[in-house]
Amino acid sequence: GENVEQHPSTLSVQEGDSAVIKCTYSDSASNYFPWYKQELGKGPQLIIDIRSNVGEKKDQRIAVTLNKTAKHFSLHITETQPEDSAVYFCAASIYQGGKLIFGQGTELSVKP
Amino acid sequence: DTGVSQDPRHKITKRGQNVTFRCDPISEHNRLYWYRQTLGQGPEFLTYFQNEAQLEKSRLLSDRFSAERPKGSFSTLEIQRTEQGDSAMYLCASSSLDRGGEQFFGPGTRLTVL
Repeated sequence: GENVEQHPSTLSVQEGDSAVIKCTYSDSASNYFPWYKQELGKGPQLIIDIRSNVGEKKDQRIAVTLNKTAKHFSLHITETQPEDSAVYFCAASIYQGGKLIFGQGTELSVKP
Repeated sequence: DTGVSQDPRHKITKRGQNVTFRCDPISEHNRLYWYRQTLGQGPEFLTYFQNEAQLEKSRLLSDRFSAERPKGSFSTLEIQRTEQGDSAMYLCASSSLDRGGEQFFGPGTRLTVL
């Protein structure tokens, strides 16, 4: 069945360093890949997304890359700040607006 | 606040009781989704609606679960004869296919079954 694997489960970086979170998906029909940030006691917040016709997308300190051949996509956060500390989830969907299949999450801790 | 709202935010119930949760989507969003999230895991898809029509239900949604969106606006999720395994965060999201289809989540309803 549809599956999304996410690594690492926890990530600790020093403020100002970069953080990379990786995901792989099983359904080759997947075409939409959003990333969500979830803070304690809150719902997931969409931070960036990418469609399959694009290999890379950047928004200020956040970037996402997609390799459809390898069924692999990654989130890159540069110049990390303590407020980036949260749980990050990748997800995949056959199309934008369809059901999302989420990864297991990465708890990012940015130490000042 | 024009985001997705959910009510109640917390619910504690005894095993065997019925519970109902409500979700109010972002205005004019035609799609509404329900997900369930247990501690330390990613959200799991339960079901979604386009307007009033329920388009898909997960195998996770047993016969004790029912969701409705009678007027194409707010939605309710009912769990009958709750079990301890139903304890989780129930998340609602909404999207507009006309505006890109990105899903925006509410704060969730945390259910504890004693």
